[in-house]
Amino acid sequence: AQKITQTQPGMFVQEKEAVTLDCTYDTSDQSYGLFWYKQPSSGEMIFLIYQGSYDEQNATEGRYSLNFQKARKSANLVISASQLGDSAMYFCAMREVKNTGNQFYFGTGTSLTVIP
Amino acid sequence: DVKVTQSSRYLVKRTGEKVFLECVQDMDHENMFWYRQDPGLGLRLIYFSYDVKMKEKGDIPEGYSVSREKKERFSLILESASTNQTSMYLCATDQGAVETQYFGPGTRLLVL
Repeated sequence: AQKITQTQPGMFVQEKEAVTLDCTYDTSDQSYGLFWYKQPSSGEMIFLIYQGSYDEQNATEGRYSLNFQKARKSANLVISASQLGDSAMYFCAMREVKNTGNQFYFGTGTSLTVIP
Repeated sequence: DVKVTQSSRYLVKRTGEKVFLECVQDMDHENMFWYRQDPGLGLRLIYFSYDVKMKEKGDIPEGYSVSREKKERFSLILESASTNQTSMYLCATDQGAVETQYFGPGTRLLVL
């Protein structure tokens, strides 16, 4: 089974509008972390936001917020007031802690295009 | 700021060549990772290392090996490159259970 599922290969959003990128995860661990990364066309992976499994409040970082629904095992990224520079690939990831260290699992990504 | 560097941004090799991809980090992180990224498949873990001389297989280790002789350096080796190893290779590091992974700029490898 996939650890991280992103069902939207591509998304379009009008500039200044909000957009939600979906992510569901699969784990039997009680303690885990959820992350979102942005990858522009240049290729570097940029960390956006983190949510711990025990965090009761949804994480927010500027225009990014993570809509964490633990019972549904979903961790959707919400980008408010989209900007042209938000056009990029977005990856959802989960960290599990193993005996041999941390392991990350990544989704297949969502390509976001912001339309002027 | 954490800095993760990779030896090349772009690399072109011939089938059968031995290929070395190097990753260096400057933050004394214990954990280092090699991923490959392909369109529609996301990032897939090849190998990771949680200490010097220690390595663990990830999801797709076949055709690859790794070396970690020093804490700051993690090398990915393609013993005999094949065309299906044409991909983007990303190195990452982390330390601790809360921190994010920090990524290098990536190496786009083309095997002809």
